Amino acid sequence: DAKTTQPPSMDCAEGRAANLPCNHSTISGNEYVYWYRQIHSQGPQYIIHGLKNNETNEMASLIITEDRKSSTLILPHATLRDTAVYYCIVRSGAGSYQLTFGKGTKLSVIP
Amino acid sequence: SAVISQKPSRDICQRGTSLTIQCQVDSQVTMMFWYRQQPGQSLTLIATANQGSEATYESGFVIDKFPISRPNLTFSTLTVSNMSPEDSSIYLCSVGEPTGELFFGEGSRLTVL
Repeated sequence: DAKTTQPPSMDCAEGRAANLPCNHSTISGNEYVYWYRQIHSQGPQYIIHGLKNNETNEMASLIITEDRKSSTLILPHATLRDTAVYYCIVRSGAGSYQLTFGKGTKLSVIP
Repeated sequence: SAVISQKPSRDICQRGTSLTIQCQVDSQVTMMFWYRQQPGQSLTLIATANQGSEATYESGFVIDKFPISRPNLTFSTLTVSNMSPEDSSIYLCSVGEPTGELFFGEGSRLTVL
């Protein structure tokens, strides 16, 4: 699976949009971009995933660049409960369920 | 999404002993995995728990140290054998959904003295 690069930490003001970047310049054609988050002392939580089109669900939006070498996870209105480590993971969609977690981005939502 | 329950949620153990962690899922799932998260670190895949056959271990993990059982499609156990303080971690069970997502239990926090 392709490697990802994320900033180690970010701050965001409560109520503002949180934009978390991820670089995956070696992504291949059949690899999906997945985002998970881990709130302190809890198991990781699935957020969203996409292949090449932008995706939106009740939690977040995922914007993937046209060349697919980077993506941005957007939390439209960050709350204090969104404080967590956010993991961007690239993996093959061809029947593989294994995830390789990097160090992620520690997002701190500030009142 | 599947509901995943792990037991125990936490335990404190003496070195040299073994602990078995249980993972129960509320629906039948094909793919189950065990991850480890050492203090301050990210998650590392230990093995894939295969129903009816031996687990598939990742590099650096061996069956003698982390034996895994998967007797059916809703249940798995991970045993941490002959524990040392270096085994102090959170151990997480996860399941793969047909749509491709992975869902995780809340983890079992193990402290080895």
